[in-house]
Amino acid sequence: DTEVTQTPKHLVMGMTNKKSLKCEQHMGHRAMYWYKQKAKKPPELMFVYSYEKLSINESVPSRFSPECPNSSLLNLHLHALQPEDSALYLCASSQDDGDRVRGYTFGSGTRLTVV
Amino acid sequence: QKEVEQDPGPLSVPEGAIVSLNCTYSNSAFQYFMWYRQYSRKGPELLMYTYSSGNKEDGRFTAQVDKSSKYISLFIRDSQPSDSATYLCAMSAAYSGAGSYQLTFGKGTKLSVIP
Repeated sequence: DTEVTQTPKHLVMGMTNKKSLKCEQHMGHRAMYWYKQKAKKPPELMFVYSYEKLSINESVPSRFSPECPNSSLLNLHLHALQPEDSALYLCASSQDDGDRVRGYTFGSGTRLTVV
Repeated sequence: QKEVEQDPGPLSVPEGAIVSLNCTYSNSAFQYFMWYRQYSRKGPELLMYTYSSGNKEDGRFTAQVDKSSKYISLFIRDSQPSDSATYLCAMSAAYSGAGSYQLTFGKGTKLSVIP
């Protein structure tokens, strides 16, 4: 299995809703990432989990709350979002290769629309 | 000056043409270089990665790195309409052994291959 699976693929939510994005990988990768991508922009790093511990939080507002229940799963909990939070949310994972950087494997993303 | 510069295009070429995509960077710490392909509304897909100056070939794709000039390129031979996508360069410093690493992305170049 060489995939990162994200659900749902599309999500429309109101500003008062609570929802969660899910990400799953079974490649044995020990680092998992959340990125946000706006149209015609490169991905922006939000959070990094390394060995199931949050290692980087790029000053993301508290209305985004990440969770890593185990080495294969990554969640992003959403609450009281703003319309400007509408974007493609990407999950990625990478393997600990000892001494090499081989790039991330990205999921297909969740397209989030906040109304 | 941004760490990674990439011309966003758009770039339009006829089918069968050789395509040249480029990025420049300013951070001498970057040691690993990647190219991602991203179709509209999908997650980025890793095309190639390399960590040394010189050329690396994979089918119709050739990645070229010149660390002395801080310049990387991706060449696509015999371009096909299915190559129409946004191409993102990405770079990383040496792996710290912490389990995760950060990629710095270029803005992406939108390529259209016209039949």
